[in-house]
Amino acid sequence: GDSVTQMEGPVTLSEEAFLTINCSYTATGYPSLFWYVQYPGEGLQLLLKATKADDKGSNKGFEATYRKETTSFHLEKGSVQVSDSAVYFCALSKTENQGGKLIFGQGTELSVKP
Amino acid sequence: NAGVTQTPKFQVLKTGQSMTLQCAQDMNHEYMSWYRQDPGMGLRLIHYSVGAGITDQGEVPNGYNVSRSTTEDFPLRLLSAAPSQTSVYFCASRPRQGPGTQYFGPGTRLLVL
Repeated sequence: GDSVTQMEGPVTLSEEAFLTINCSYTATGYPSLFWYVQYPGEGLQLLLKATKADDKGSNKGFEATYRKETTSFHLEKGSVQVSDSAVYFCALSKTENQGGKLIFGQGTELSVKP
Repeated sequence: NAGVTQTPKFQVLKTGQSMTLQCAQDMNHEYMSWYRQDPGMGLRLIHYSVGAGITDQGEVPNGYNVSRSTTEDFPLRLLSAAPSQTSVYFCASRPRQGPGTQYFGPGTRLLVL
């Protein structure tokens, strides 16, 4: 079945460091890919998305490119801030599956130190 | 718009008790879903609905019931709570059309003793 695998955390970085969180997926067809972020004590918020191969999603300095040839959607940010500390979830969705359900990776906790 | 709202924020139950987690959205979204979040497992789909009067099971439906009498509301019922249902529950909604972006509520943290 379809699945998402994320790099394990927790990840601890110093402020202004470069961030990469790896995400790989297995899916038939042409899923849409997402990164969601969960700040402490809150629900999930959409960070960025990409709906077809080679699309680049971007938001708040974060970027991810939909790579169909390597089945990957890695999240990057050039310079992290303390306020980026959160749990990041990679997910895929296929509209025809169960109301377009999201299939999530296990989440990667990021902690940014000043 | 309030978006997706959930009540209560936190609940403690004893084994065998029943309760209903409330979810409402004011975006006129056709699709609504319930997920549970457990450590190291991401979020898993419990039940979903593609419109008023239509519901179906997700990956982990056992022990839960849902109904969808209106577009706005999608309550989740625990019939007889078990410790294995201790989790954080998220309701989400999305429009039928579009790339599949789901909008999440703030969550309900449930502890079953």
